Amino acid sequence: DQQVKQNSPSLSVQEGRISILNCDYTNSMFDYFLWYKKYPAEGPTFLISISSIKDKNEDGRFTVFLNKSAKHLSLHIVPSQPGDSAVYFCAASSFGNEKLTFGTGTRLTIIP
Amino acid sequence: DVKVTQSSRYLVKRTGEKVFLECVQDMDHENMFWYRQDPGLGLRLIYFSYDVKMKEKGDIPEGYSVSREKKERFSLILESASTNQTSMYLCASRRTGQPQHFGDGTRLSIL
Repeated sequence: DQQVKQNSPSLSVQEGRISILNCDYTNSMFDYFLWYKKYPAEGPTFLISISSIKDKNEDGRFTVFLNKSAKHLSLHIVPSQPGDSAVYFCAASSFGNEKLTFGTGTRLTIIP
Repeated sequence: DVKVTQSSRYLVKRTGEKVFLECVQDMDHENMFWYRQDPGLGLRLIYFSYDVKMKEKGDIPEGYSVSREKKERFSLILESASTNQTSMYLCASRRTGQPQHFGDGTRLSIL
């Protein structure tokens, strides 16, 4: 039972345009959400997070939006750059629980 | 900067062997994790530990065990390796309330 879903395995975006990566979850106990970025042959690196008391969090070119009623979050990258080409994982956890549940990942390719 | 070091980048073992994967972190984090990453399945949690000598099963613990004798070191053990344990193994650590930091992974092949 996949509690965190990333339904797009891949996404291609022109350099300079906006990249939008989507993530859906089913467990209503999740209250903290994260995005990780992974290059080949490296471990995932933390990108940005959001708690359920907010609906938006911004860090430079990266913004995460949370729609709790739809159980949906998205990561916006603007403007997209070639170095953003990577696999992006969303992850979720619930209060007091050290475990993270990860999605299956979306491979983002930025086209120069 | 947090450093999570996995002892091997690549490892090839034979079916039935006992395999040890080692992970060390240098930031005095309480919590440590072992995941495996497989195409189309994302990262799946095998085991985690929130303190020395403490361990909790993750989502796919079967065929694995772990050891945490010291705070900085978390070992994953494949008791009797099988071909379906061929995968990328990722170790992570975190301070409670902070994001997880990952090592660069060990690509394990079981022949």
